[in-house]
Amino acid sequence: KQEVTQIPAALSVPEGENLVLNCSFTDSAIYNLQWFRQDPGKGLTSLLLIQSSQREQTSGRLNASLDKSSGRSTLYIAASQPGDSATYLCAAPTSGTYKYIFGTGTRLKVLA
Amino acid sequence: DVKVTQSSRYLVKRTGEKVFLECVQDMDHENMFWYRQDPGLGLRLIYFSYDVKMKEKGDIPEGYSVSREKKERFSLILESASTNQTSMYLCASGLTGYETQYFGPGTRLLVL
Repeated sequence: KQEVTQIPAALSVPEGENLVLNCSFTDSAIYNLQWFRQDPGKGLTSLLLIQSSQREQTSGRLNASLDKSSGRSTLYIAASQPGDSATYLCAAPTSGTYKYIFGTGTRLKVLA
Repeated sequence: DVKVTQSSRYLVKRTGEKVFLECVQDMDHENMFWYRQDPGLGLRLIYFSYDVKMKEKGDIPEGYSVSREKKERFSLILESASTNQTSMYLCASGLTGYETQYFGPGTRLLVL
């Protein structure tokens, strides 16, 4: 069964810093992997979906990479801003199903 | 823009009550999902539906049932609410099972 882990659980950085959030998964036979953002008390917002055939996917200041062989994905945030403060979650499907397993997230705080 | 709406943002119910949580999406998506989110446990899939009247159990279906009579609407039913069902409930939809999932704002349910 798929297990998804995100480390660290929380991260505090000064504004302007580039940062990397990590996601690891145990079942590498994944169709894709998704990254989401969640603001306190709100639903999730999709950031990036990276297909198994891709190594990277970019949207603005965000770049997600996927290494299936090592069971890792990273979310790179360039030139962080206070508005980036949120919890970031990754999700990977259990092989052969539509059931996405979510990590418990990394809570990011960008200090002005 | 995809819009997923949930019938209530906050709900307070008593133990033993039957509770209905409604979710509506406006993008003609085939797939709809119900998750619950608890601190330290992350998001866990309760049920999902891949077509009208079609449903499949997620990882934690006990104590819950679902209904999907129309494509745009997916209801989660707590047959007899218990205090351990106090949680944040999130609905999501996606064009297919492997596409980006779009989330509603969530319903925070308190069972007394």
